[in-house]
Amino acid sequence: GAGVSQSPSNKVTEKGKDVELRCDPISGHTALYWYRQSLGQGLEFLIYFQGNSAPDKSGLPSDRFSAERTGGSVSTLTIQRTQQEDSAVYLCASSADWGPTEAFFGQGTRLTVV
Amino acid sequence: AQTVTQSQPEMSVQEAETVTLSCTYDTSENNYYLFWYKQPPSRQMILVIRQEAYKQQNATENRFSVNFQKAAKSFSLKISDSQLGDTAMYFCAFGGSQGNLIFGKGTKLSVKP
Repeated sequence: GAGVSQSPSNKVTEKGKDVELRCDPISGHTALYWYRQSLGQGLEFLIYFQGNSAPDKSGLPSDRFSAERTGGSVSTLTIQRTQQEDSAVYLCASSADWGPTEAFFGQGTRLTVV
Repeated sequence: AQTVTQSQPEMSVQEAETVTLSCTYDTSENNYYLFWYKQPPSRQMILVIRQEAYKQQNATENRFSVNFQKAAKSFSLKISDSQLGDTAMYFCAFGGSQGNLIFGKGTKLSVKP
């Protein structure tokens, strides 16, 4: 695609429910990143994928968070048993390759847990 | 671990004037990249400018330029001839061997008419 696409744009969920956030990276980009941006804060790194593998999951805030990537393309970030502190904007980015290169971002998913 | 610090939570500038946003970072690496991203209310993170650490020459992109001081680990962004459309959050980011970008907390810039 022309850019990184994320869906849904906004999501309101009840505390305790599971949610899935989707990221469709730029075609051909091998690296994919998830970040979380809480209100008024910078970007907190969650996880990255090189191809379909995620070598480093240490950024995930708890075991309620998981992510997968299939076919080296679309990625899904799943949050189980959502809590109010999970409310944030979840940003996805992709880059042509792994390493300190330019990352292209989607518009994010604003998650609100009520 | 690498850290990125933006010491100015908010700044404002009059239209057509020049403003400088500060960023410092800490790393033991020698080869890395530094970035400034802009985030308008639309939430879309947009790359403004990039600097490779091995390059001594400061990067420039139209009205945007950086002052990269490697020894001081400083990477400031200068916006010349500020425009209303420059109003946004600006994030400084470090990209090193770990691959993912490490961001500062951002500076909210308001351009006033």
